[in-house]
Amino acid sequence: KAGVTQTPRYLIKTRGQQVTLSCSPISGHRSVSWYQQTPGQGLQFLFEYFSETQRNKGNFPGRFSGRQFSNSRSEMNVSTLELGDSALYLCASSLVHLGAAKLFFGSGTQLSVL
Amino acid sequence: GENVEQHPSTLSVQEGDSAVIKCTYSDSASNYFPWYKQELGKRPQLIIDIRSNVGEKKDQRIAVTLNKTAKHFSLHITETQPEDSAVYFCAGFNGNKLVFGAGTILRVKS
Repeated sequence: KAGVTQTPRYLIKTRGQQVTLSCSPISGHRSVSWYQQTPGQGLQFLFEYFSETQRNKGNFPGRFSGRQFSNSRSEMNVSTLELGDSALYLCASSLVHLGAAKLFFGSGTQLSVL
Repeated sequence: GENVEQHPSTLSVQEGDSAVIKCTYSDSASNYFPWYKQELGKRPQLIIDIRSNVGEKKDQRIAVTLNKTAKHFSLHITETQPEDSAVYFCAGFNGNKLVFGAGTILRVKS
């Protein structure tokens, strides 16, 4: 079985731009959650999508949004990029909703905002 | 909301010794506590988890204990090996959010 796939692997953007990251979960997994990882703030939960609906949300501004498609693939969008958005963005998938099954992480997208 | 504190931030042990990492949580509604291992440049991987209706869980050299009254849980690694060197994250899930500890850098010296 293929693991969780995130694209692209690296991204460089400038302040004010927007970016879209993609996550393909393990086949059969219905939940996709997103995380921001930085050296200073550690791992922080952004949101979870389950069956195309946002189920849970972390403490991030509205510039961070996401969606999930009928095939469970998910995208995360960040608008009006700020320097502080530079981070590794990880997605994870699980068979059922967050907290009820094991999480499997992707390799992440490293976003640099200049 | 939930807050998870993790100690120590770094831990060095001699190969073969035991390592213990402790986490405390604030939200009494939290009911699921996973532990992740992240090697340098790699993705986090679940190594063990525990639910609030269980006090202890073991998987070979790894064990996790949970004290709901004191709101803390701990990771125990016995007979440490160099390949155990990594960053370890604890987390707590309160039904709404998965909150991570700040991480512990474990170095196993051979």
